[in-house]
Amino acid sequence: AQKITQTQPGMFVQEKEAVTLDCTYDTSDPSYGLFWYKQPSSGEMIFLIYQGSYDQQNATEGRYSLNFQKARKSANLVISASQLGDSAMYFCAMREGNLAAGNKLTFGGGTRVLVKP
Amino acid sequence: EPEVTQTPSHQVTQMGQEVILRCVPISNHLYFYWYRQILGQKVEFLVSFYNNEISEKSEIFDDQFSVERPDGSNFTLKIRSTKLEDSAMYFCASSELNRRETQYFGPGTRLLVL
Repeated sequence: AQKITQTQPGMFVQEKEAVTLDCTYDTSDPSYGLFWYKQPSSGEMIFLIYQGSYDQQNATEGRYSLNFQKARKSANLVISASQLGDSAMYFCAMREGNLAAGNKLTFGGGTRVLVKP
Repeated sequence: EPEVTQTPSHQVTQMGQEVILRCVPISNHLYFYWYRQILGQKVEFLVSFYNNEISEKSEIFDDQFSVERPDGSNFTLKIRSTKLEDSAMYFCASSELNRRETQYFGPGTRLLVL
């Protein structure tokens, strides 16, 4: 089974609107971390947001928020007020186990977002 | 803002040749990682490194691969005898002691093996 599933290969969003990128994960470990990274066309990987499995509140970082639904094993990324510079590939990733067990990230297949003016 | 840097940005090599990919992690970071992304595919973990030794590696990281921290700033990935299937973008990442969960990635080295 896939550890991280991103079901939306690509999507368009109108500038200034919000967009939700889906991510579901599969783990039996009670301790894990969930991450979102942005990859612009230039290729670098930019860290956006982190959610720990024991965090009580949904993570937020500026225009990014993570809609963490533990029972559904989903960690959707919400980008509010989309900007043209948000056009990129977005990857969801997971670290299984606590940090003592290691810090290997497993990535999903990504969602390509194109923001329309 | 401090960032991870990688050199070269692009490298073309002949099959069977050795390549060394270089990374300068963020200066106060103590954990280092290599990942790769074959064109059009997922980002895959290769290896993590702490305190001058490998702490975790994937099945991809076979005897053809090695990592080293030759001095206080550089972190290198060596591929001893490159194969066509080693063509990929290679990302270095680092994380700090007190916020180890967050890995900051470099811009990547695009390796093409001919």
